[in-house]
Amino acid sequence: QQPVQSPQAVILREGEDAVINCSSSKALYSVHWYRQKHGEAPVFLMILLKGGEQKGHDKISASFNEKKQQSSLYLTASQLSYSGTYFCGTERRVHNAGNMLTFGGGTRLMVKP
Amino acid sequence: DGGITQSPKYLFRKEGQNVTLSCEQNLNHDAMYWYRQDPGQGLRLIYYSQIVNDFQKGDIAEGYSVSREKKESFPLTVTSAQKNPTAFYLCASSILTGTGTYEQYFGPGTRLTVT
Repeated sequence: QQPVQSPQAVILREGEDAVINCSSSKALYSVHWYRQKHGEAPVFLMILLKGGEQKGHDKISASFNEKKQQSSLYLTASQLSYSGTYFCGTERRVHNAGNMLTFGGGTRLMVKP
Repeated sequence: DGGITQSPKYLFRKEGQNVTLSCEQNLNHDAMYWYRQDPGQGLRLIYYSQIVNDFQKGDIAEGYSVSREKKESFPLTVTSAQKNPTAFYLCASSILTGTGTYEQYFGPGTRLTVT
């Protein structure tokens, strides 16, 4: 089942902060975050593993609340380059068939000068 | 340079024709995947393959076929049975990390238009 992302879209001024949420109705093993620019392929940002992990990359960080089956992506002091669509992918494993990701519908982020 | 290549970038076909999309990777990744993305939508899994000569259906496999004869290559055929083939197709490959999960990386994509 597809994870639910919120908000669907957000507009920021340069330097403002934003939070993107990803919720699943199923137990999560890990959550993967990607950013996609228009017409391009998604670019890997980070993976969060179960256990309440937090990670950061530059001014983008994320947390994973296993009990709530939710992950949040935090964008601090946003830059123009942060504009794009952010996707979360939840990992599921199938016995003898490997792992796969199920992606949310995406959150469109636009950063204005 | 290591990476995932998809060709062509844009592809046009007439309705009723089969078309094959290429995906090659030189990252030595075991697993490969095909996704479909429609405008303004997320990514949906078509097929994936964990090892050579083995592949599994994803969520929307109907009207598509794949093969995995080599580790580096995972071509996708969009058959005439696919009712709405016009979409952006993304190939990905993944590697098992030290933490026991898989990091997935995407190719540049092929935009298929069927008229």
